[in-house]
Amino acid sequence: GDSVTQMEGPVTLSEEAFLTINCTYTATGYPSLFWYVQYPGEGLQLLLKATKADDKGSNKGFEATYRKETTSFHLEKGSVQVSDSAVYFCALLLNSGGGADGLTFGKGTHLIIQP
Amino acid sequence: GAVVSQHPSRVICKSGTSVKIECRSLDFQATTMFWYRQFPKQSLMLMATSNEGSKATYEQGVEKDKFLINHASLTLSTLTVTSAHPEDSSFYICSARVWGQGDPPNYGYTFGSGTRLTVV
Repeated sequence: GDSVTQMEGPVTLSEEAFLTINCTYTATGYPSLFWYVQYPGEGLQLLLKATKADDKGSNKGFEATYRKETTSFHLEKGSVQVSDSAVYFCALLLNSGGGADGLTFGKGTHLIIQP
Repeated sequence: GAVVSQHPSRVICKSGTSVKIECRSLDFQATTMFWYRQFPKQSLMLMATSNEGSKATYEQGVEKDKFLINHASLTLSTLTVTSAHPEDSSFYICSARVWGQGDPPNYGYTFGSGTRLTVV
């Protein structure tokens, strides 16, 4: 079945450090890929997405590129801030054309940014 | 826009009792709602998909008689954990599909803030 594997946390970095959170997927078709972020006490929020190979999603300084050859969608940010501390979920949606089932999520990576 | 309000955020109940979790779409009509469960250090696992006015579709291995889902209106979906046991302790989160205005139509997902259920 479809699955998403992302790096285990917590990931602890200093402010202004470079961030990479790895995400790889297994899917029988051609999924859309997402990164969601969950701040403490809040619901999941869409951070960025990519719907086809080589697409790059970006938002709030975060980027991720859909790599079909390596089945990956790694999240990166050049300079993290304390306010980026949250749990990040990688997810896929196999059929994005409507009538799809719910998202398939990774386990989530807890990111802690220290001042 | 497209906010889903989920309540309660935390609940502790005794074994054998039932607990109801509500998700309301505040500024849109949610024709499709998803319910997820997350155990510690595990992924969010889809439990069921509900469409307004029809029976929910449960994922394999999810007991429909134990996890009752009602989606009687376009703004409210509820999950009732019946005869709860300690192994039902988990984080439950709802999500609604939100349709955009594009052509062709596209959609995204908005999530509730989750409910931490502890059964003692």
